[in-house]
Amino acid sequence: TQLLEQSPQFLSIQEGENLTVYCNSSSVFSSLQWYRQEPGEGPVLLVTVVTGGEVKKLKRLTFQFGDARKDSSLHITAAQPGDTGLYLCAGANSGYSTLTFGKGTMLLVSP
Amino acid sequence: DAGVTQSPTHLIKTRGQHVTLRCSPISGHKSVSWYQQVLGQGPQFIFQYYEKEERGRGNFPDRFSARQFPNYSSELNVNALLLGDSALYLCASTGVPPGELFFGEGSRLTVL
Repeated sequence: TQLLEQSPQFLSIQEGENLTVYCNSSSVFSSLQWYRQEPGEGPVLLVTVVTGGEVKKLKRLTFQFGDARKDSSLHITAAQPGDTGLYLCAGANSGYSTLTFGKGTMLLVSP
Repeated sequence: DAGVTQSPTHLIKTRGQHVTLRCSPISGHKSVSWYQQVLGQGPQFIFQYYEKEERGRGNFPDRFSARQFPNYSSELNVNALLLGDSALYLCASTGVPPGELFFGEGSRLTVL
């Protein structure tokens, strides 16, 4: 069974601070995806990383895929209250329709 | 264009009852997947359907079943409900070739 461990489980910070969320697995995935989920809504895809060592930037968000394709990190610079939500990492093998999700990191950014 | 739509959005059942959840994928998407998200956890894969055939099944008991219709909409059925079935049930669709999963807002099931 492939498992994804996310840390921390909960993070409460002030607006303007930086933060990093980690996603680790003992298994190799063909790709890894990061989602953000707000209360009462389904997860929304932020990014997909495919190549070991890959770094992708999405405005203030930086995503990194480990060289061995077993771990990933999400770094947010100068967090804003609008970044509040549940951040989920998900690993995919062949195709993208079957995802293994981590338990998520709940981020709360206070003004 | 409409996104993935799910119904009902909320429902309450009692133990032992049966429930049917419905999902309409994004127009043009032929693959539908179902996930269960228990409070405080990430989503867990239940089923994937493509072209009306089951293409994947997660580690869920036989009380869980699903089907996909010719218009690519899907139903998830759960029999003999248990308290532990209380969760947000998410439906996601993807196009061909499979790419990004687009999730609906989910159906929140409470079993009393």
